[in-house]
Amino acid sequence: NAGVTQTPKFRVLKTGQSMTLLCAQDMNHEYMYWYRQDPGMGLRLIHYSVGEGTTAKGEVPDGYNVSRLKKQNFLLGLESAAPSQTSVYFCASRSNRGNGYTFGSGTRLTVV
Amino acid sequence: EDKVVQSPLSLVVHEGDTVTLNCSYEVTNFRSLLWYKQEKKAPTFLFMLTSSGIEKKSGRLSSILDKKELSSILNITATQTGDSAIYLCAVDELSGTYKYIFGTGTRLKVLA
Repeated sequence: NAGVTQTPKFRVLKTGQSMTLLCAQDMNHEYMYWYRQDPGMGLRLIHYSVGEGTTAKGEVPDGYNVSRLKKQNFLLGLESAAPSQTSVYFCASRSNRGNGYTFGSGTRLTVV
Repeated sequence: EDKVVQSPLSLVVHEGDTVTLNCSYEVTNFRSLLWYKQEKKAPTFLFMLTSSGIEKKSGRLSSILDKKELSSILNITATQTGDSAIYLCAVDELSGTYKYIFGTGTRLKVLA
């Protein structure tokens, strides 16, 4: 089925470890986004991309890096994980038409 | 600072009740307001409201945008247990990047 696929779905990291979250979409969307969702905080934008090869910082970019080498993929990296990065991470994409984002199913990350 | 505020934060009702969820916003250049429903995983799209489409309805759900009051309401009539979810409001600005600002959400629980 067409949509946004996130991997992995769950991960536990130790403080200081690194990891990469992968977001893949097969809808030929230009725009892609990484959000984190914490209790009582809603969804906050980490980084986003308006097209292949472009990235930009969102509201809470510190501690994260991103890359969009291919149009269909948007990678979120944590170089040195911290307990404050324990969260649920959502990737989303959209075209410049239509109604809103299509979200991935989320990645639950715990940093101990 | 741009922000989106939702109220109430949580709500418990019985099946058959009607509920009204509120969303107010302060953004520099408003483009549209969106409502999402989030159950266990990814948010799913409900409505998009713009200056040219200030009222939307789908089955038991309806939403109105009040551009003068900078707010929106989401109404759910004859609630069912399947309506239990977090309802998210988001605002899209005229930035060309389709970055959404999300509220913290309203957690609705419908009791049988």
